Amino acid sequence: QVQLVESGPGLVKTSQTLSLTCTVSGGSITSGYYSWSWIRQHPGVGLEWIGYIHYSGSTYGNPSLRSRLAMSVDTSKNQFSLELSSVTAADTAVYYCAKKHGGGYFDSWGQGTLVTVSS
Amino acid sequence: EIVLTQSPDTLSLSPGERATLSCRASQSVKSNFLAWYQQKLGQAPRLLISGASSRATGIPDRFSGGGSGTDFTLTISRLEPEDFAVYYCQQYGSSPITFGQGTRLEIK
Repeated sequence: QVQLVESGPGLVKTSQTLSLTCTVSGGSITSGYYSWSWIRQHPGVGLEWIGYIHYSGSTYGNPSLRSRLAMSVDTSKNQFSLELSSVTAADTAVYYCAKKHGGGYFDSWGQGTLVTVSS
Repeated sequence: EIVLTQSPDTLSLSPGERATLSCRASQSVKSNFLAWYQQKLGQAPRLLISGASSRATGIPDRFSGGGSGTDFTLTISRLEPEDFAVYYCQQYGSSPITFGQGTRLEIK
């Protein structure tokens, strides 16, 4: 069973860039059938898909965030990363990384990390 | 984008009872690409069902999914104490991937 762990700052200043990394263990990030995703959950609210990246480097992001979104993968470290620029308080959320099955559902999740955006 | 509306928002039942949760899509979900997740307080969501009706590995058979097109259901045949949680549906047939707002299943 693949394990995923998010890491990064818990506090980001308004207008700056939120950066998170997800470390994958128990399996290779280069497994071609899967993509590696980011999902967030605003406090007390539902889930919002952010985007996903394949180990080949191809990415796809939610149109609502795409202009501020960058994702990358480091196969040597079995990690993938998220950058969200020009953040506001509306970006305060628990951020999850997850393994996306080829079909499109998420079958393994990290424990989540709370990121607070504040001036 | 496809909007998923779950009902009810909150469902109050007792252990041993049957729970039926609904997920309605604003347009037909391609190939019934619909998943269900369970989320307990302070935890990440856990995959229960994919493809509308296929149980994920390790999920008890009291959980079952059904439906097609725009109307889907998650049924828990006999509630166990550990089943009280929030449940989300998710469609992955069209981009962007979207989730429902969740149904809270609480102990009556």
